Amino acid sequence: EAGVAQSPRYKIIEKRQSVAFWCNPISGHATLYWYQQILGQGPKLLIQFQNNGVVDDSQLPKDRFSAERLKGVDSTLKIQPAKLEDSAVYLCASSPGQGLVYTDTQYFGPGTRLTVL
Amino acid sequence: KQEVTQIPAALSVPEGENLVLNCSFTDSAIYNLQWFRQDPGKGLTSLLLIQSSQREQTSGRLNASLDKSSGRSTLYIAASQPGDSATYLCAVVNDYKLSFGAGTTVTVRA
Repeated sequence: EAGVAQSPRYKIIEKRQSVAFWCNPISGHATLYWYQQILGQGPKLLIQFQNNGVVDDSQLPKDRFSAERLKGVDSTLKIQPAKLEDSAVYLCASSPGQGLVYTDTQYFGPGTRLTVL
Repeated sequence: KQEVTQIPAALSVPEGENLVLNCSFTDSAIYNLQWFRQDPGKGLTSLLLIQSSQREQTSGRLNASLDKSSGRSTLYIAASQPGDSATYLCAVVNDYKLSFGAGTTVTVRA
C-alpha cells in the first residue's frame, strides 16, 4: 500500500512570496490533515478535511493560509504572503475513518520543509 | 487548553540499555494517548495507542503505560539498539484533537 505522498520535499523562499504544498493521501482515506511542525516543537493541526469538507480549521491563520481538497482526494496548502515565522515542516496525514481521532490511526507523509528568508 | 510535556528533550544511551521516556499532560479527560516515532526527513509513525480505559499497551520491545489520574505516560524500550535512534513524540486526544508534545530525541550509541 502506497503511503501519503507530499511534494515538494524542500522549499526555500523569501518573505512575502507565495508557496504551495501538495499532498496525496492513502487511497480511500476519507480524512486528511495538515500539520505545522516548528523546529523543536510537536506538530500543530492547521486544518482537517473529511472528504472535501472542512471539519476543523480553527488554528489556520486564514489571513495568509488557505487549503483545499478538491474531489475529496488530494489537497493543496498555500501560504500567501509568507512570513519568517512560517519556517517549519508541513506534514500531511490521512486516516481511513470519518475523522474520529479517538479511534483512527493517522498515517503521516514525509513532510515539506519550508525555509523563509 | 491541553499542554503536553516531554522531559528530557534529548537522551543518549549505550546500546543494550533500557530506555524510559516520559510524557505528562494537563487535562486528564483524554480519549487516548499515542506514542509516535519520527526519523529525520520522514513523517511520524504510530508506535502504540493506549485507550483511556487501559493501563498499558505492549508491542515487541515497546511497552507504554498510562496513568490518567496523574496525567502521565511512560514509554519503555527494552534492550535499545542503534536503530532505535529517533525522536519519540507522545500525543493525547481530547475534544477530537490530537495534541503533541515536543518530543524526546534519543541517540543509542553502538
